[in-house]
Amino acid sequence: QKEVEQNSGPLSVPEGAIASLNCTYSDRGSQSFFWYRQYSGKSPELIMFIYSNGDKEDGRFTAQLNKASQYVSLLIRDSQPSDSATYLCAGTQGGSEKLVFGKGTKLTVNP
Amino acid sequence: DGGITQSPKYLFRKEGQNVTLSCEQNLNHDAMYWYRQDPGQGLRLIYYSQIVNDFQKGDIAEGYSVSREKKESFPLTVTSAQKNPTAFYLCASSPPGQSETQYFGPGTRLLVL
Repeated sequence: QKEVEQNSGPLSVPEGAIASLNCTYSDRGSQSFFWYRQYSGKSPELIMFIYSNGDKEDGRFTAQLNKASQYVSLLIRDSQPSDSATYLCAGTQGGSEKLVFGKGTKLTVNP
Repeated sequence: DGGITQSPKYLFRKEGQNVTLSCEQNLNHDAMYWYRQDPGQGLRLIYYSQIVNDFQKGDIAEGYSVSREKKESFPLTVTSAQKNPTAFYLCASSPPGQSETQYFGPGTRLLVL
């Protein structure tokens, strides 16, 4: 069973701090990884994707991938109350375009 | 105004009734997907389609059916065989050449009366 694991949280950080969200995966064949943000009662919104080992930055967001350790993370710098949401990690099933999703980490940014 | 639309936003099903959820996209995306989300659970894949007139079962296809007669449309029918249909249903689609990059519609919340 291919799995993506996330700490369900809740993760609570003060406004302006760095929020660090982590994800591990079991399928060594997974090539691409995605972070989605989901506000309560809404659908997931794609915020970052990463294919290669290392870091990828987009504004306040940085995705990190370590394929040797089967570990993906999302850093949110200068966290804002509007970042409060559940963050879903997803990875491709090896050799396919299908995604396996983690259960999500709930982030709360306190003003 | 491009995007993925799902209707209705809320749907109520009576026991023994089949209901159909609509998913439409005008983004010229080839692949389309249906997921189910339950509280505290990750998204689970029900069905997906990479081209018109072809679709494959996902991890939890039992009790569901789909069709893909047009590129823009991928309706999902929740049949009476699905004994626990209450969930948030999400449709997604992927751009050509980026089939693993999925964008979601707003979702349909299905409740059983």
